[in-house]
Amino acid sequence: DSGVTQTPKHLITATGQRVTLRCSPRSGDLSVYWYQQSLDQGLQFLIHYYNGEERAKGNILERFSAQQFPDLHSELNLSSLELGDSALYFCASSVVVGQLTDTQYFGPGTRLTVL
Amino acid sequence: SQKIEQNSEALNIQEGKTATLTCNYTNYSPAYLQWYRQDPGRGPVFLLLIRENEKEKRKERLKVTFDTTLKQSLFHITASQPADSATYLCAPFGNNRLAFGKGNQVVVIP
Repeated sequence: DSGVTQTPKHLITATGQRVTLRCSPRSGDLSVYWYQQSLDQGLQFLIHYYNGEERAKGNILERFSAQQFPDLHSELNLSSLELGDSALYFCASSVVVGQLTDTQYFGPGTRLTVL
Repeated sequence: SQKIEQNSEALNIQEGKTATLTCNYTNYSPAYLQWYRQDPGRGPVFLLLIRENEKEKRKERLKVTFDTTLKQSLFHITASQPADSATYLCAPFGNNRLAFGKGNQVVVIP
């Protein structure tokens, strides 16, 4: 158990809908990262928040947005869902940002299925 | 563009032997590189970190090397066990983020 929690574990929804994925980092970790993993693409970095502020953006679509709240939990919002958005979404947390010991601890993931 | 290459073919290896995985990267100058293990349907788990000024790092039966000239990292599992069967991800750190390779699956045959 990494100490990172993600809810829900599974989500099944229809095209065009909007969903929210939630992540609680390990106690004391200020950084939260979101990743998308599909079979053909591997683990793709989406976005990084540090202590409530956006620090880096990766291949995140405009239909997707995220935020980190004062209690450090984070939410990833996915809207106008398409079939191709079906994937595993992982959240990870770490203690510091951009330092040499930026080990990331991953949550169990949310499996999103868009029908 | 930046690329991370790991062998897409699964490595089948007999129990007790050494498994060696390769990670090649291009257009990167990572300050360090990490290796993660991922089991099906689960989140990656951190294994080892090696810095650019380190040639080799060991942890129990795991060994990682880092050659910044060749732009390559090798990951070794010695005395492999069936429990080592998983996908192993290489992740160089550059541009303020970790970037993950697609991973290399290892299957240890009893």
